[in-house]
Parts: sequence; C-alpha cells; structure tokens
Amino acid sequence: AQSVTQPDIHITVSEGASLELRCNYSYGATPYLFWYVQSPGQGLQLLLKYFSGDTLVQGIKGFEAEFKRSQSSFNLRKPSVHWSDAAEYFCAVGDPDYGQNFVFGPGTRLSVLP
Amino acid sequence: EAQVTQNPRYLITVTGKKLTVTCSQNMNHEYMSWYRQDPGLGLRQIYYSMNVEVTDKGDVPEGYKVSRKEKRNFPLILESPSPNQTSLYFCASSLKGVGNTIYFGEGSWLTVV
Repeated sequence: AQSVTQPDIHITVSEGASLELRCNYSYGATPYLFWYVQSPGQGLQLLLKYFSGDTLVQGIKGFEAEFKRSQSSFNLRKPSVHWSDAAEYFCAVGDPDYGQNFVFGPGTRLSVLP
Repeated sequence: EAQVTQNPRYLITVTGKKLTVTCSQNMNHEYMSWYRQDPGLGLRQIYYSMNVEVTDKGDVPEGYKVSRKEKRNFPLILESPSPNQTSLYFCASSLKGVGNTIYFGEGSWLTVV
C-alpha cells in the first residue's frame, strides 16, 4: 500500500523568501502525485499534479513541484512567498490500480511573516 | 458555479444521537467520497462511491454509513456517534478517472460530546 510522509509539520518563512515543502512517498511503481492547499476554513484546492512526462510541473499561484524518482520525492516550491500563501499544504498519492482514491500526507502548515 | 455543498458546516451533538451530514454536487460527477481530517493524520478516506448505488469502504469506515441513491447526493450517516468521531469532515467529487480534478466541499466540523 502506498504511503506519504511530509517531514515538516510547521514551517515559517518571511514574505518574499523562497519556499520548499517536502513530500516523500512509498509506492512500488510511479504513482500519481498531487499537492493540495487548504486555506483556513476552506476546503482543499488542487495546486498541481504529476502523472508522467516532464518531472517539473507548474501549478497555480506560482507553485511548482519536481518529481524525483530516485528519492521518491515530490517537493513543492515557490520562489517568493506571499502572505496569502499561509495555509496548510497536503501532498497526496494516487494509485492507478486503486482507482481514484488518494492517500494524503499529514500536511505541512505554512506561516508567513510580514 | 461548480460546487460541492456540505451541511451542516458546524455541529455539536451528543453521544449516540444519530446524525447525517449531507453532501451535494452540481457537476454531474460519478465519483464521490468522504474524508475525515485530524491533526497530524491528514485526510483519511471513510467511504467512496463510483456511481449511483455503488459504494465502498475507505480506510476508516467504522462507525459510518453512506448511501448513493442519486448521482448528486452522498450523505454520511453516523448511526451512534462517539467522541472519537469528533473531526473535520470533507466531501469530494470528480468525474470518473484518476486524471480528473477532485473538488472538495468546505468541510463540516463535528463535535461529539
């Protein structure tokens, strides 16, 4: 069964600084990979996804993520963080053989200092 | 506007009193799912449905029931709620197929005392 870890429970960065959120997964083949963001009091919104092809994927709100098979990682990055990026971020893994059901990581809470 | 609507958004109830959290989507999606979100655990799937009258257990189905009598609705039923079901619940839907975007409701905060 697949699993997802997000090693950082809480990260604080200053506005304008760069950001990297880590995600590692455990899965036998190449999974489908996703990053979701949850703003306070809101549902989850898809930032980006990776199925195949170019290992660097671009998402909404200036985010990107890079799939590294050798490290079983799918880290999320943003070159310059805005205060509105403060939220909880979830990495998720989908298994093509498991249908549409995802396994979510525990989440990383991002705080942004002015 | 594409929406997944959950009700109630906030509820405090007592142990053993049956409750239903409704979920409705207006996108004609085949796939619907329920998750619970707990601190440090992320989202865990409770039940999912691939179409009308087709439901299946997720990772944490104990204490919950679902039904899918119509395509747009997927209610979550807690027959006898217990305090360990205090959580934030999300309903989600999408078109069939892994590549399709999953849309989430805004969540329902449930407290069982």
